Amino acid sequence: QQQVKQSPQSLIVQKGGISIINCAYENTAFDYFPWYQQFPGKGPALLIAIRPDVSEKKEGRFTISFNKSAKQFSLHIMDSQPGDSATYFCAASEISGGGADGLTFGKGTHLIIQP
Amino acid sequence: NAGVTQTPKFQVLKTGQSMTLQCAQDMNHEYMSWYRQDPGMGLRLIHYSVGAGITDQGEVPNGYNVSRSTTEDFPLRLLSAAPSQTSVYFCASSEGANYGYTFGSGTRLTVV
Repeated sequence: QQQVKQSPQSLIVQKGGISIINCAYENTAFDYFPWYQQFPGKGPALLIAIRPDVSEKKEGRFTISFNKSAKQFSLHIMDSQPGDSATYFCAASEISGGGADGLTFGKGTHLIIQP
Repeated sequence: NAGVTQTPKFQVLKTGQSMTLQCAQDMNHEYMSWYRQDPGMGLRLIHYSVGAGITDQGEVPNGYNVSRSTTEDFPLRLLSAAPSQTSVYFCASSEGANYGYTFGSGTRLTVV
């Protein structure tokens, strides 16, 4: 059972455009939703995260939108740049339960920003 | 401050061989975990630990063992390698539930 579904699998965006990646979760106990960015040959790196008590969080060009009733959250990359080309993973965990049992990841989105 | 260090970076094993993937962190993080990454599958949790002496199974624990004798180290053991264990393995650590995980650079394992 896939608890976090991510789409699209791949995405091509022109430089300066908006990249949007979506995730949906099933476990209503999840209460921490991070996004990770991974470059080839490297480990994932935390990009931005949100708790369900807010509907949006913005850090620079990166914004998470969160819809608790729909059990969905998305990553928006504004003014996308070639350096943003990477694989992006959404994830979820249950902090109220300690969060020690790790993260449940989506399958990833391969993002290409064309110059 | 090296963060999370994984060794080796690459390894080729023959079916049936055993080996240990090393993971060390110098951030005094209590939470540590192991993931495997396969094409199109994202990252899947193998085992995790909430502190020295405490470990538990994740989503795909079969064929792997872990131990946590110190806060810094969290080795992953493959007892009898199988081709299905060909993957990239990542170790990660976190200072707490409300904080993100820091990942190592990974170990690419091939079992032939």
